[in-house]
Amino acid sequence: EPEVTQTPSHQVTQMGQEVILRCVPISNHLYFYWYRQILGQKVEFLVSFYNNEISEKSEIFDDQFSVERPDGSNFTLKIRSTKLEDSAMYFCASRRLAGAYNEQFFGPGTRLTVL
Amino acid sequence: KQEVTQIPAALSVPEGENLVLNCSFTDSAIYNLQWFRQDPGKGLTSLLLIQSSQREQTSGRLNASLDKSSGRSTLYIAASQPGDSATYLCAVRSTNAGGTSYGKLTFGQGTILTVHP
Repeated sequence: EPEVTQTPSHQVTQMGQEVILRCVPISNHLYFYWYRQILGQKVEFLVSFYNNEISEKSEIFDDQFSVERPDGSNFTLKIRSTKLEDSAMYFCASRRLAGAYNEQFFGPGTRLTVL
Repeated sequence: KQEVTQIPAALSVPEGENLVLNCSFTDSAIYNLQWFRQDPGKGLTSLLLIQSSQREQTSGRLNASLDKSSGRSTLYIAASQPGDSATYLCAVRSTNAGGTSYGKLTFGQGTILTVHP
């Protein structure tokens, strides 16, 4: 069964460093998302991406964040200068089509630890 | 702004019991509602999706209901098993002012379920 994959599973970085989190959505999916979950807190929406552009973003998704679909398969989240409070589990999700009957499928997550 | 609340926060039951998890949301202008399962340190597994026009959706031992006007959904798990132990998350996809949706999900904080043998 097709699934969303994410790499790396765990990333440790120093405060101020740039990180790139990678996702491979399900191959025939058209809508892509990033969410994050700080330990013990709710899963929070970051950004949605369709047709090579951001369709919606949250207040969390400031100028330090960017997303890209560099080729036909990868979808990346870049954090330019990491802060301690960026430590969280980051989930990528994808959805095939528009319409209310289409589920979002989530990847296993990347645990980001900022020291 | 959509807010999603789940009760109870935690539930511990003996194997074989039928149980109900509750989810409420503040804005009834929703596109659909999705229930997920999350195992410790893992990703989210989609269990059921209910469209805003539906009242109920079933998959195996799981049954989810939706009452959009009152802002409530329930997840019913029949004949619980130890393998059902996980955190169950409810997530709502809301419509925007134009009646469309880009797919943003708003999550509840989850119900931690423990089923003991």
